Amino acid sequence: QVQLVQSGPEVKKPGSSVKVSCKALAGTFSSYCMTWVRQAPGQGLEWMGRVIPILGVVDHAQKFQGRVTITADTSTRTAYMELSSLRSEDTAVYFCARATVTKVFGGYHYYAMDAWGQGTTVTVSS
Amino acid sequence: EIVLTQSPGTLSLSPGERATLSCRASQSVSSSYLAWYQQKPGQAPRLLIYGASIRPTVIPDRFSGNGSGTDFTLTISRLQPEDFAVYYCHHYGDSPPWTFGQGTKVDIK
Repeated sequence: QVQLVQSGPEVKKPGSSVKVSCKALAGTFSSYCMTWVRQAPGQGLEWMGRVIPILGVVDHAQKFQGRVTITADTSTRTAYMELSSLRSEDTAVYFCARATVTKVFGGYHYYAMDAWGQGTTVTVSS
Repeated sequence: EIVLTQSPGTLSLSPGERATLSCRASQSVSSSYLAWYQQKPGQAPRLLIYGASIRPTVIPDRFSGNGSGTDFTLTISRLQPEDFAVYYCHHYGDSPPWTFGQGTKVDIK
């Protein structure tokens, strides 16, 4: 069973950066779409972005333009999400999640996120 | 960007009752790329339905999904005590951004 293990909680000052890691313990990492989703206290789920190593694709939500960097290291089966210029509104639980991507005739097919990390709490406070 | 609007915001029901949750998209979406998640406090979301109506083998058959175009539904046929949670619909696929509905909370009446 695939497990995604995330790095531990972080407390950061406004204006600083945070980098969260997500290691896949099994599975064909290069065929995954590794996605980052965050959840502010008492709020819903917010998609931040994704990296698809097999396609060399990185996408992120417009809201995080210029502030988020999502990468993946296939040699260590680890995905990373770095968020800069932190503000109090970035206080949230950050989840990584895996979606499988398969090649089909004419393109690629995506599956829904079926494995999630345990979440990393990031607190931004002065 | 596809906006997903879920209704109702809260659904108050008793164990054994049927729950019907709605998700409406701001534009037509491929049924292949509509999913439902369950989330309990302090836990990561759990995939219930993908492809609008496909249930992973580990998910009980009291959960079902259907719909197409802009209107999708998650039905829980007979609520069990462990089903009281928040449910999110989700659009994914080849074109970002992926989006979530705002959630429907199913609580005990």
